[in-house]
Amino acid sequence: AQKITQTQPGMFVQEKEAVTLDCTYDTSDPSYGLFWYKQPSSGEMIFLIYQGSYDQQNATEGRYSLNFQKARKSANLVISASQLGDSAMYFCAMREGGSSNTGKLIFGQGTTLQVKP
Amino acid sequence: GAVVSQHPSWVICKSGTSVKIECRSLDFQATTMFWYRQFPKQSLMLMATSNEGSKATYEQGVEKDKFLINHASLTLSTLTVTSAHPEDSSFYICSAGQTYEQYFGPGTRLTVT
Repeated sequence: AQKITQTQPGMFVQEKEAVTLDCTYDTSDPSYGLFWYKQPSSGEMIFLIYQGSYDQQNATEGRYSLNFQKARKSANLVISASQLGDSAMYFCAMREGGSSNTGKLIFGQGTTLQVKP
Repeated sequence: GAVVSQHPSWVICKSGTSVKIECRSLDFQATTMFWYRQFPKQSLMLMATSNEGSKATYEQGVEKDKFLINHASLTLSTLTVTSAHPEDSSFYICSAGQTYEQYFGPGTRLTVT
């Protein structure tokens, strides 16, 4: 069965510094996709970044990058130059079946990030 | 990006009544939609997969008769919480996919008194 683990319930980072949010996963499917979402206090789920299991390069989207280490089954999110607006809950998620949009997402426990001014 | 809407955004109902939540994909068609439930400061738990034109697939432990799902068209899925009780109070979120992305609705906060 697929599983996603986020071991950091809460993280603090100083404004303008970089922060890494950890995520490990477990699956027996060779084709899967990994996602990171941001959930501010309003509750909306904001898509940040996607990494496919067959992607050769680490995904990047602006200040977000995904440190994908397939052998270790980890998909850590790196946020560079943190901003106060980055304070939110962050979820790592996985979908088996790779790029298929009909596969369900399984979420990790989440990490609450607080950016200090 | 694609947009998914939910209605209502919040609802308060009395114990024993039923509540219907709508999830719409506004600018794309979705043969599959997903319903999640989230308690405060916890993760999203998948409740069921809504399939257009067929029965929903429920996750283990989710009561089919309590959480009725109807996916009558390619842009609309509904979740009905029947005979709601205070323990059903939660944040309900739907999602739909386009290409590899999953787009989430803004969520519905249900409070049962």
